[in-house]
Amino acid sequence: NAGVTQTPKFQVLKTGQSMTLQCAQDMNHEYMSWYRQDPGMGLRLIHYSVGAGITDQGEVPNGYNVSRSTTEDFPLRLLSAAPSQTSVYFCASSYGTGLTNYGYTFGSGTRLTVV
Amino acid sequence: ILNVEQSPQSLHVQEGDSTNFTCSFPSSNFYALHWYRWETAKSPEALFVMTLNGDEKKKGRISATLNTKEGYSYLYIKGSQPEDSATYLCASDNYGQNFVFGPGTRLSVLP
Repeated sequence: NAGVTQTPKFQVLKTGQSMTLQCAQDMNHEYMSWYRQDPGMGLRLIHYSVGAGITDQGEVPNGYNVSRSTTEDFPLRLLSAAPSQTSVYFCASSYGTGLTNYGYTFGSGTRLTVV
Repeated sequence: ILNVEQSPQSLHVQEGDSTNFTCSFPSSNFYALHWYRWETAKSPEALFVMTLNGDEKKKGRISATLNTKEGYSYLYIKGSQPEDSATYLCASDNYGQNFVFGPGTRLSVLP
């Protein structure tokens, strides 16, 4: 049981480059989300999905795109990386569709640096 | 956007001490309150999910209480051990709002 798998673990990008952070879960969770974690701040929601084909914006969506073509995968795309996107990114999933009394399962994180 | 607050921001305790910290959340449209334990260089792990006013949950030496009317939850650690050192996050799940995490309480247990 792999849980939530995030790749890559580390990435350095130049300003203006694009990349995709991968997230996959094998628990048949409907709800998946992306967070970023910055020093001195809590986890902030970027985008989320309540099921395949459905995505929505969170608190800090600008500069990021997502898609949810399957239940298992929820990639996060940076179209034109900026230094302000230097952060640690976490993917999380949960049984249920948002309002949940089940805990979230987190991936191991991706540390992204934009130079 | 919900405002979820935690206090203190950080604390240091001696091994064997008991400690507690607070999570404050909006009580309107409340659905669930989550607690997570986040060790350095790892990902957050779920501790408790609480939904009912007056709920009390326990896992080993860690317990939590919930007051949905006044919008707060306490996390207690009895007889702290060095392995309890971590950041403890709470998060509020409210109708009509996205799930929101507090900034966390960083606990250091000194041997």
